[in-house]
Amino acid sequence: DQQVKQNSPSLSVQEGRISILNCDYTNSMFDYFLWYKKYPAEGPTFLISISSIKDKNEDGRFTVFLNKSAKHLSLHIVPSQPGDSAVYFCAASSPRTGANNLFFGTGTRLTVIP
Amino acid sequence: DAEITQSPRHKITETGRQVTLACHQTWNHNNMFWYRQDLGHGLRLIHYSYGVHDTNKGEVSDGYSVSRSNTEDLPLTLESAASSQTSVYFCASSQDRTSYEQYFGPGTRLTVT
Repeated sequence: DQQVKQNSPSLSVQEGRISILNCDYTNSMFDYFLWYKKYPAEGPTFLISISSIKDKNEDGRFTVFLNKSAKHLSLHIVPSQPGDSAVYFCAASSPRTGANNLFFGTGTRLTVIP
Repeated sequence: DAEITQSPRHKITETGRQVTLACHQTWNHNNMFWYRQDLGHGLRLIHYSYGVHDTNKGEVSDGYSVSRSNTEDLPLTLESAASSQTSVYFCASSQDRTSYEQYFGPGTRLTVT
């Protein structure tokens, strides 16, 4: 049973506009969330994270929002650039299974159109 | 620069054969992980290790084994390859048990015919 869900397999956005990638989770014990970015033929790379004690974390063009009551997080990329075209995975961790046991979503392929 | 490497990058094998995928990291990280990535499932944890001689089962460990004889390497063995094990395999490492961020290798695409 998928505990972390990314319901949009793909997303296309014009360069310069905002990209919003969504992620839902079912396990209320998750207390830490991460976003990874993956280019073809490469491994995922860490992008940004957020603890459940916060509702927003910002790093340059990337902002992650967490809505605990809705069990929903989103990644905003502003402005979007062609180099942002990649597959984005969200991941979550719970205290019970430990920081190292990450549960990943299925990924969303973002295409930024020049 | 520190890195994590995997070999081979591509492998084709036959059903029933034993296959070993290599993972080597120079981060000097205590923790190492193996994931498989399949369409519709994202990345799923196969096995992980918190240090030398420590190994633990993940979500999808059946048919796989690992051993950790040193800090740098965590080879993944498929004892008797099955077509259901056709997948892309990623190795990752993290500094210690409190570290959420994992560093991934480039992956190995395994095809079992």
